[in-house]
Amino acid sequence: GAVVSQHPSRVICKSGTSVKIECRSLDFQATTMFWYRQFPKQSLMLMATSNEGSKATYEQGVEKDKFLINHASLTLSTLTVTSAHPEDSSFYICSARDAGQGAAEAFFGQGTRLTVV
Amino acid sequence: GENVEQHPSTLSVQEGDSAVIKCTYSDSASNYFPWYKQELGKRPQLIIDIRSNVGEKKDQRIAVTLNKTAKHFSLHITETQPEDSAVYFCAANKAAGNKLTFGGGTRVLVKP
Repeated sequence: GAVVSQHPSRVICKSGTSVKIECRSLDFQATTMFWYRQFPKQSLMLMATSNEGSKATYEQGVEKDKFLINHASLTLSTLTVTSAHPEDSSFYICSARDAGQGAAEAFFGQGTRLTVV
Repeated sequence: GENVEQHPSTLSVQEGDSAVIKCTYSDSASNYFPWYKQELGKRPQLIIDIRSNVGEKKDQRIAVTLNKTAKHFSLHITETQPEDSAVYFCAANKAAGNKLTFGGGTRVLVKP
């Protein structure tokens, strides 16, 4: 299947700093990528839909100024957590679909465990 | 928007027995229903999916059934093995490229 690579896999940062997470589709083009947050023992909650060349679409309750999304190319989307606080500590996962195949299957990155201290 | 409910939240079975997880969805326009398996600290992996033009699909020990009228779909795992222990998520979505809405997850424990 298609491969989605996410980096870093783990990051620890101090309160008030910003963290950037990258999501790459390695062998296909993705006009749309999705960013999820997963708290321990909970489901994947969609934060935003990242659209190549245009603004991201955020889910209700997600602060767009805090979670900055950039999708500058068909293979890369980035999520920047700005002014991070301990409550932002979570598992962040991206997913993408192969636009060229018209397939519905979503492939996930390996996730980023963010710890804000 | 779409709302997906999943039951049970936890499921403990004896090795060799069957496991069944059920999901309901709210949006009748949803037409794609994948199931993902997630091991601790890892990414979700697609294990099987079904589209709305099909009522049932099987892949070895895993099968999924879909009832469009009732808006529910189920995952069936037969002859469970310890390596089937994980969290399973159902999801629903309207069309290719659209966002997936996930159920709350089911933590499956297969006891040897």
